[in-house]
Formats: sequence, C-alpha cells, structure tokens
Amino acid sequence: DTGVSQDPRHKITKRGQNVTFRCDPISEHNRLYWYRQTLGQGPEFLTYFQNEAQLEKSRLLSDRFSAERPKGSFSTLEIQRTEQGDSAMYLCASSSRLSNTEAFFGQGTRLTVV
Amino acid sequence: KNEVEQSPQNLTAQEGEFITINCSYSVGISALHWLQQHPGGGIVSLFMLSSGKKKHGRLIATINIQEKHSSLHITASHPRDSAVYICAVRSTGSYGGSQGNLIFGKGTKLSVKP
Repeated sequence: DTGVSQDPRHKITKRGQNVTFRCDPISEHNRLYWYRQTLGQGPEFLTYFQNEAQLEKSRLLSDRFSAERPKGSFSTLEIQRTEQGDSAMYLCASSSRLSNTEAFFGQGTRLTVV
Repeated sequence: KNEVEQSPQNLTAQEGEFITINCSYSVGISALHWLQQHPGGGIVSLFMLSSGKKKHGRLIATINIQEKHSSLHITASHPRDSAVYICAVRSTGSYGGSQGNLIFGKGTKLSVKP
C-alpha cells in the first residue's frame, strides 16, 4: 500500500455536467475525510466517514454534492450540475481509528469547470 | 478571524537562510500538524505535535500549548524546500466536523532562491 490515492488527478468539465472522484485510503484506516481547497486558501472540511458511515457534513456541502463509502474502503465524491465556483482541488485524507494519529493525504483531484 | 492564523503569508529566502513560519490558533486542540504542499497539490505530513518540540533533518517544529502558538523552522534552507507550508490543528470539539476534524491555516508560500 503506497498511501492514499485519488483518481483522476485532473478533471476539466463543462458547467452543468456531473463529475465523480474516487479516493482509495490506506487499507487499515477506517477514517476518511474529504476537503476542498481553492486557490490561495487552506483546505476546508467537506465530509467525514468512519467506516461506511458518513458522520459529518460541512455546510459547504450543498445538495449538489454527495459522498459515499459503501464498503468502508474507497470513497466517491460526486458533484452534480457543476458550477464554475466548484473549481478547486479536492483532497482526500485517511487516518486510523485512534483519536490522535496522523492524517495521510492523497495527491488531490484538481477540478476545473469551464 | 480564522481559527488558525499563519504568518507570514509569503516568504522569500536565500539558500542557506534560517526560516521561521508561525502558527497561532484559537480553539482547543489535541494535536497540531505541519504539512507541506508542493505545486502539484499533494500534501505531505511533516510533523504532528501535542507538546514540546520535534526535529526531523533540517526541520524543527515547536508548540506552546499555553500560548496557542507553534513555529516551524527550516535550517540551511534549500531551493527544494520551496513549497506551501500549512498548519492544521485537530480540534477537541466538534468544530467543522466531528471527532477532531482538522482546521487548516491558509498556508505560507515559501520560495528559496539559489
């Protein structure tokens, strides 16, 4: 296991289209986080899974956003009817169940909505 | 006011200089992370601190829990150190998410000139 992987690395889409990103966490990690990072800003929390349960969603996650982690392993983040304001880097991180451990980040998926 | 503030926002240094990046936070934390983000977007965890000081190679991180302040130092800086350095705290409350979600600073962009 080489770490957290995200796919795709880059996505360009037309406004109004749907996009889906995938995150494969480190295999023994049961916690998975999605963050969004816009240019010049630090990452912002979107949502958090513990195993397959989505325990928290940020108010940043509008109705057009949905995330799943169906078997408690990989996770998907879907954005429906994309808008230009959705253009950002989407980062995934995972950590173990212990409360105070490092989070390991993926390379991110850079979304550009044109 | 952001819960995690970093200074400076941008820093340019000559190769060999000693560099300090500061982070102040206003929430209760269980740990503080220093992260490095290269232009491609991927984030690497440098340190996780809950007290005192840690050293890894030319990097030193310190934290003062009473003052809610941390510093990242780079000794003998090198152009390959050029990156964005992000401070993130793991909150003890449910701010921005449950179970100690990470709250990020906006990052410090470091450029080291040869």
